[in-house]
Amino acid sequence: EDQVTQSPEALRLQEGESSSLNCSYTVSGLRGLFWYRQDPGKGPEFLFTLYSAGEEKEKERLKATLTKKESFLHITAPKPEDSATYLCAATSGTYKYIFGTGTRLKVLA
Amino acid sequence: NAGVMQNPRHLVRRRGQEARLRCSPMKGHSHVYWYRQLPEEGLKFMVYLQKENIIDESGMPKERFSAEFPKEGPSILRIQQVVRGDSAAYFCASSAKAGASTDTQYFGPGTRLTVL
Repeated sequence: EDQVTQSPEALRLQEGESSSLNCSYTVSGLRGLFWYRQDPGKGPEFLFTLYSAGEEKEKERLKATLTKKESFLHITAPKPEDSATYLCAATSGTYKYIFGTGTRLKVLA
Repeated sequence: NAGVMQNPRHLVRRRGQEARLRCSPMKGHSHVYWYRQLPEEGLKFMVYLQKENIIDESGMPKERFSAEFPKEGPSILRIQQVVRGDSAAYFCASSAKAGASTDTQYFGPGTRLTVL
């Protein structure tokens, strides 16, 4: 069964303290790996799509990478406004995204 | 360019009533997906629709739940005779391409349904 697991469940960082979020997937024939940010009471906001192992994408303080088994979301020198839940999703050739349960990130000033 | 729109944002229903959730996709998008998010759980796929067609409803409960995307107007997710277990956040997403697996889905703000 296709599955996406995110770790840690929650993460507290000091402002400026870089870290990484993990997304492990067991999906037959991965066709796309997606990262979203979700603020409380809002819908997921698209961040990145990764298609193949070795691919990397960057946006401001965020960088997403992909291997054959997992994806990482690296956060460099985070700010309090980066506090949110980060969601990972994978698809295996259909339109059905398989979501993880997310990592709740809190960045303290 | 307006994003995906959903209304109402919050909906309260008593057990046995009907809930109607509406979704207008992004401009230029003709593919709509509905997901449900329960507390402490990930988003779960429910149904995929194109204009006037249900493509895949495999994630939707067989009873009480239905969805449509008419030629004109928003997509509707309808829940009949709601029960407390239906309380959740319901998200709509849309995409531009023909359901291509790697096409990015963009999400709306969600409707938070509370069943009393």
